[in-house]
Amino acid sequence: AQSVTQLGSHVSVSEGALVLLRCNYSSSVPPYLFWYVQYPNQGLQLLLKYTTGATLVKGINGFEAEFKKSETSFHLTKPSAHMSDAAEYFCAVTPSGTYKYIFGTGTRLKVLA
Amino acid sequence: DAGVIQSPRHEVTEMGQEVTLRCKPISGHNSLFWYRQTMMRGLELLIYFNNNVPIDDSGMPEDRFSAKMPNASFSTLKIQPSEPRDSAVYFCASSEQGSGNTIYFGEGSWLTVV
Repeated sequence: AQSVTQLGSHVSVSEGALVLLRCNYSSSVPPYLFWYVQYPNQGLQLLLKYTTGATLVKGINGFEAEFKKSETSFHLTKPSAHMSDAAEYFCAVTPSGTYKYIFGTGTRLKVLA
Repeated sequence: DAGVIQSPRHEVTEMGQEVTLRCKPISGHNSLFWYRQTMMRGLELLIYFNNNVPIDDSGMPEDRFSAKMPNASFSTLKIQPSEPRDSAVYFCASSEQGSGNTIYFGEGSWLTVV
């Protein structure tokens, strides 16, 4: 069965510090991987996704993620946190050939001044 | 593009009343999803339509919930009768057909049943 695990339901970083949000997945077939961001009182919007090709994926707002098959991971990073990055972040996997998007439980990022 | 449009954005209703949530997917998208988000259970897929046909409704909680998609540009999620435990944010999302395509979410319908 496919699943997504996000380590840490809450993460706090100082403004200007590195952001690292962890995501591990399990999938019996090659996965497509996504990171979504949800700001308060809004829907989820796509940050970045990996389907095929280059394993380092760049997204909006300076975020990037690297697909590591050997580690079954797709961690999200940003070199320097900004106050506007405070939001909830969801990792999702959809096994290739299926329509089912499996979402993690989310990580709430807090940015400290 | 206007994105996925949901209505109402907020609804407060009394237990036992019927609730209808509406969704207009992005034009050209032929996959439509209804999700429910709560603190306790996170984001749950309720039902998935492809080309207006319900493909997977295994996430629909019980018979009080029903969903329809009469045409490519409109879908409804109905709860009858509503209960306090149905209080949640309901998201509609759409995508182009095919695995790995991005799904685009609406801004959600915030439902409170008192």
